[in-house]
Amino acid sequence: GAGVSQSPSNKVTEKGKDVELRCDPISGHTALYWYRQSLGQGLEFLIYFQGNSAPDKSGLPSDRFSAERTGGSVSTLTIQRTQQEDSAVYLCASSLALWSDEQYFGPGTRLTVT
Amino acid sequence: QQQVKQSPQSLIVQKGGISIINCAYENTAFDYFPWYQQFPGKGPALLIAIRPDVSEKKEGRFTISFNKSAKQFSLHIMDSQPGDSATYFCAPRMDSSYKLIFGSGTRLLVRP
Repeated sequence: GAGVSQSPSNKVTEKGKDVELRCDPISGHTALYWYRQSLGQGLEFLIYFQGNSAPDKSGLPSDRFSAERTGGSVSTLTIQRTQQEDSAVYLCASSLALWSDEQYFGPGTRLTVT
Repeated sequence: QQQVKQSPQSLIVQKGGISIINCAYENTAFDYFPWYQQFPGKGPALLIAIRPDVSEKKEGRFTISFNKSAKQFSLHIMDSQPGDSATYFCAPRMDSSYKLIFGSGTRLLVRP
């Protein structure tokens, strides 16, 4: 079956612009996670959703970052007023439920802020 | 991510050899201990995982060894193959928090 998909695969933006990153989880998966992978910080948790609710936003680096999930499916991560330090690969993962062991990752969106 | 320390940073092994990657953690509340494998341009994928009620788990050529008292767990890859060349991450988790805490990664190269 289809895995987790993310779009765009690559995004180049100018400093100060807003960007939206999209994640389509595996059908039927109720839990969705966002992680960021960067050279300096490694792989770090950003936020997770159970259904459309986000009980844990503790990993969001600043108030320029926000995320939403609609219809218990697609999620969008928005970064406002992008900075160069936002350059990273943004990974989305989904799992059948929050308490499920395995998280299935998408291929990521590579964001470059110039 | 000081909660989790992974070593070595990189590893070169000959085909047929044994690859060993280690992960040390500080948080005794972790109760799920997975290893993820990542190929270039792809997201991480679960390779093998263990819970603290057992000390070892084997799946094919991959084995996790878990030492609760030392707060360490390791990944052993037997008969390493060039196709195993990838980056490996330990990523322990507390069941109550759901998020994976990733180690810094180990880049494995298996030479033919």
